[in-house]
Amino acid sequence: DVKVTQSSRYLVKRTGEKVFLECVQDMDHENMFWYRQDPGLGLRLIYFSYDVKMKEKGDIPEGYSVSREKKERFSLILESASTNQTSMYLCASSDGLGVVEKLFFGSGTQLSVL
Amino acid sequence: AQSVTQPDIHITVSEGASLELRCNYSYGATPYLFWYVQSPGQGLQLLLKYFSGDTLVQGIKGFEAEFKRSQSSFNLRKPSVHWSDAAEYFCAVLPRNSGNTPLVFGKGTRLSVIA
Repeated sequence: DVKVTQSSRYLVKRTGEKVFLECVQDMDHENMFWYRQDPGLGLRLIYFSYDVKMKEKGDIPEGYSVSREKKERFSLILESASTNQTSMYLCASSDGLGVVEKLFFGSGTQLSVL
Repeated sequence: AQSVTQPDIHITVSEGASLELRCNYSYGATPYLFWYVQSPGQGLQLLLKYFSGDTLVQGIKGFEAEFKRSQSSFNLRKPSVHWSDAAEYFCAVLPRNSGNTPLVFGKGTRLSVIA
């Protein structure tokens, strides 16, 4: 089974801190994605990557950056955390063959910024 | 504007009752269509997908969905709901000929199951 592992299940940070959310997949997938999930807003795409060292902005990239130095790892960075970034963050991956049809998700990181 | 809509934020059904979750899309050409489920504390899991062909699609966990072009809908159904089906359900679309555009998710419908 494909496994997408997010390093932390719960995270509490202070306003202004630099925060790293790590995601690792073990199936040699080409594509990786970061979403945030908020009640009533569903999933919103922050950034995605279709190859190592490649990144594309999603719908809500402001306040975030990403890093993909290795194929299996895709990191989401909050340069200066703010309270409005308190959310559930979901990482996903998929293979690069044809239509992106099946995303494999991690269990999520619930981030609280105080 | 292109969009995917799940009209119901929260639905409650009795165990053993039938279920229908609605999904409507607004795209020029019929997009690829998906349903995902998120159980409490988990990431999302693909239930089923529609690309072309038979408009009634079978998925995992006893779910099915019907594509209706005339209504721009892709509703999810289950004949008899089990307590373990309590979860959040997301409809998602992928525009055809969109290159590498990622999936677009609806806002989700939360399903509660009562005894």
